Amino acid sequence: DAGVTQSPTHLIKTRGQQVTLRCSPKSGHDTVSWYQQALGQGPQFIFQYYEEEERQRGNFPDRFSGHQFPNYSSELNVNALLLGDSALYLCASSLVAPRGSPLHFGNGTRLTVT
Amino acid sequence: DAKTTQPPSMDCAEGRAANLPCNHSTISGNEYVYWYRQIHSQGPQYIIHGLKNNETNEMASLIITEDRKSSTLILPHATLRDTAVYYCISHTDKLIFGTGTRLQVFP
Repeated sequence: DAGVTQSPTHLIKTRGQQVTLRCSPKSGHDTVSWYQQALGQGPQFIFQYYEEEERQRGNFPDRFSGHQFPNYSSELNVNALLLGDSALYLCASSLVAPRGSPLHFGNGTRLTVT
Repeated sequence: DAKTTQPPSMDCAEGRAANLPCNHSTISGNEYVYWYRQIHSQGPQYIIHGLKNNETNEMASLIITEDRKSSTLILPHATLRDTAVYYCISHTDKLIFGTGTRLQVFP
């Protein structure tokens, strides 16, 4: 049973560029959440997708956008990259029901912006 | 903002029980308490969660106080591989991480 998979594992981009990160949820899961984790910090919530719509959003600018596909996989897009966007980007999947179902995380994509 | 408070670091001898405390005094009645851990360069790993009752699984036990304002994660026989940052989170529909407790298990 495959867990959450993310691609690519590492990525280097230049300031001003755009990036797309991809996530396949754990088998059977229907909800995908994205987190940003800066070095030495806890993960910060970006947004959550269910039924191909953004359900909740954290305190991130509109440069961060996402998409969920009919097969529940998801993409995170970041436009106009800044140096401060360098971080580990984590995808987590879960079930919308029953309430309280735990999130399961992938191992992330390490993004470096130069 | 994170709604939980944890000590920044703890040590534990290998083979002994590791008891990690968490304060969540502002928890709402319908919010679960979740515990995750993160080993360097990996994604957070789900450990256990609970609402009111104590819970146990193959990894750990979760003890929640009757007033639900605090909880303790117990790793009954810590091993070197349990060295990680442990996060206690109280929420229902999205997880808000704090800075966690860095647990160091020593031989």
